[in-house]
Amino acid sequence: DAGVTQSPTHLIKTRGQQVTLRCSPKSGHDTVSWYQQALGQGPQFIFQYYEEEERQRGNFPDRFSGHQFPNYSSELNVNALLLGDSALYLCASSLGRLEGSPLHFGNGTRLTVT
Amino acid sequence: AQTVTQSQPEMSVQEAETVTLSCTYDTSESNYYLFWYKQPPSRQMILVIRQEAYKQQNATENRFSVNFQKAAKSFSLKISDSQLGDTAMYFCAFMKHQIQGAQKLVFGQGTRLTINP
Repeated sequence: DAGVTQSPTHLIKTRGQQVTLRCSPKSGHDTVSWYQQALGQGPQFIFQYYEEEERQRGNFPDRFSGHQFPNYSSELNVNALLLGDSALYLCASSLGRLEGSPLHFGNGTRLTVT
Repeated sequence: AQTVTQSQPEMSVQEAETVTLSCTYDTSESNYYLFWYKQPPSRQMILVIRQEAYKQQNATENRFSVNFQKAAKSFSLKISDSQLGDTAMYFCAFMKHQIQGAQKLVFGQGTRLTINP
């Protein structure tokens, strides 16, 4: 039973560039969430996708956008990268109709902006 | 808005000892869920235990158990017979109960736990 998979594992970009991160949910899950985790901090909620729609968004600028595909996989796009966007980006999946469904996380993508 | 506070940035115990990690939260909600996640150096956030606020019984998962005090808004994690593999960052997290709503986790700052041989 495949868990949540994220790609790539690591990424180095230059300020001003754009980046796309990818996530495949755990088998049977239909909801994908994205979190940003700065070094030494707890993860911060970016947004969640359910039925290909953005269900809720955290306090992140419009430079952060996402998409969910019919197979429930998801992408996170960040435009006009800033040094402060350097972080571990975590994808999590869950069952959208189950109240309090635990989130299952991937190994994350480490993004470094230089 | 909900907040989660973990007051112990770091803890260290000897193998086989029992350790308790503290977590408090602030919310005006009456129905919610609480979680403990561990994040080893491999970076993957792993679910340790889940508690439903409307259940008075404390959740347990093998060596892991919680002490849930709803009135005090406290949710501590006890690890019994600690093992070297328990070394990790531990995060307490809150999820509001929402019918057909987003399953958003609010995390604390984490406690770095080291188990020494």
